[in-house]
Amino acid sequence: QQQVKQSPQSLIVQKGGISIINCAYENTAFDYFPWYQQFPGKGPALLIAIRPDVSEKKEGRFTISFNKSAKQFSLHIMDSQPGDSATYFCAASKGHLYGQNFVFGPGTRLSVLP
Amino acid sequence: GAGVSQSPSNKVTEKGKDVELRCDPISGHTALYWYRQRLGQGLEFLIYFQGNSAPDKSGLPSDRFSAERTGESVSTLTIQRTQQEDSAVYLCASSFSGRPDTQYFGPGTRLTVL
Repeated sequence: QQQVKQSPQSLIVQKGGISIINCAYENTAFDYFPWYQQFPGKGPALLIAIRPDVSEKKEGRFTISFNKSAKQFSLHIMDSQPGDSATYFCAASKGHLYGQNFVFGPGTRLSVLP
Repeated sequence: GAGVSQSPSNKVTEKGKDVELRCDPISGHTALYWYRQRLGQGLEFLIYFQGNSAPDKSGLPSDRFSAERTGESVSTLTIQRTQQEDSAVYLCASSFSGRPDTQYFGPGTRLTVL
């Protein structure tokens, strides 16, 4: 119940295209769903996050879509750029008061071709 | 630098030796997290500190792993009698309590056990 499943494992997109990464979870107690971007040799960096009271959140070219009933959420990268090439992790967290442990998906390696 | 720092950046050790990994969180961040990331894989939660207390040690893989935090600041992760399967990047992150959206990661320590 603590798992977060993520797909695809890797993704190749042409410059200007849309990148879509999907995640699914089981534990309905999760109340915070962030996406992280990680470049080689660096720690993950928070990209965008959503709470279950909204179905969509957009920040620039990045959008999270959240489907509470299906227990799924996805990251959409519009107008994908070569600089977006990185590994993306979805995560889920519970414990609003104390920011308790995150459960991470296995990651998606995105390559955006110029 | 105002970010999370970790030292050493790289550590090569022989099987059976003890190692200590250090994390300096962002000043004022009361929550601190340790994760392990094996090559090409997602992040595995190890332990979470709230202040100097560790309310959640559920991720520590064995009794060879321990961690402490002092002064609501620096944390050290100690691995005793290292094994080859301990080889991974160990990531530290910190945040304000109850604010997982403020979680920032350090660059990690790459541990190689020969």
